[in-house]
Amino acid sequence: GENVEQHPSTLSVQEGDSAVIKCTYSDSASNYFPWYKQELGKRPQLIIDIRSNVGEKKDQRIAVTLNKTAKHFSLHITETQPEDSAVYFCASSREGSGGSYIPTFGRGTSLIVHP
Amino acid sequence: DSGVTQTPKHLITATGQRVTLRCSPRSGDLSVYWYQQSLDQGLQFLIQYYNGEERAKGNILERFSAQQFPDLHSELNLSSLELGDSALYFCASSDRGGGYTGELFFGEGSRLTVL
Repeated sequence: GENVEQHPSTLSVQEGDSAVIKCTYSDSASNYFPWYKQELGKRPQLIIDIRSNVGEKKDQRIAVTLNKTAKHFSLHITETQPEDSAVYFCASSREGSGGSYIPTFGRGTSLIVHP
Repeated sequence: DSGVTQTPKHLITATGQRVTLRCSPRSGDLSVYWYQQSLDQGLQFLIQYYNGEERAKGNILERFSAQQFPDLHSELNLSSLELGDSALYFCASSDRGGGYTGELFFGEGSRLTVL
């Protein structure tokens, strides 16, 4: 089955710095890569995703890059703010129909932004 | 609000007991997923149902079982509970059959404490 490795497990930055979280996947057929943010005591929520037909996607201060050849993708957060502090999960899956979508999650990165 | 409802929010029980966690998916979603999140752990996939049928199994113990009913709500049954079963159990839903995006919508979770 698919295996997703996520690094680092903990990331501590100063407010205003950039943060980068990296993930690798094993299944070359995977074509959908979402990122979820989980604030303390809350549910995971999708913040950005990328499909295998593009190499980069941006949404304000967050961006995701994908290297299909190397089978890795990364989350970039610029100008970090204290409210960015949370656990971030990457995931990998194959999109399909009829309930064939099973995402495999990384173990998560705890991002701490110091004011 | 994701539209996914989980009950109960909190549950405290003793070892050896049996509990049932309930999930109502987002309106129209056909797939329901169950995840277990232990302290400092990632999201461990347990099981998936699609339109009433079991589609995929992950690291689900034999003491655990689930089902999805005709109205698409799902229940996760945990029996012969052990201390190590204490965790946050998330339900997520997706896939409206036609306009399928791959995003998972998570409920707020059911926190189980086994004493």
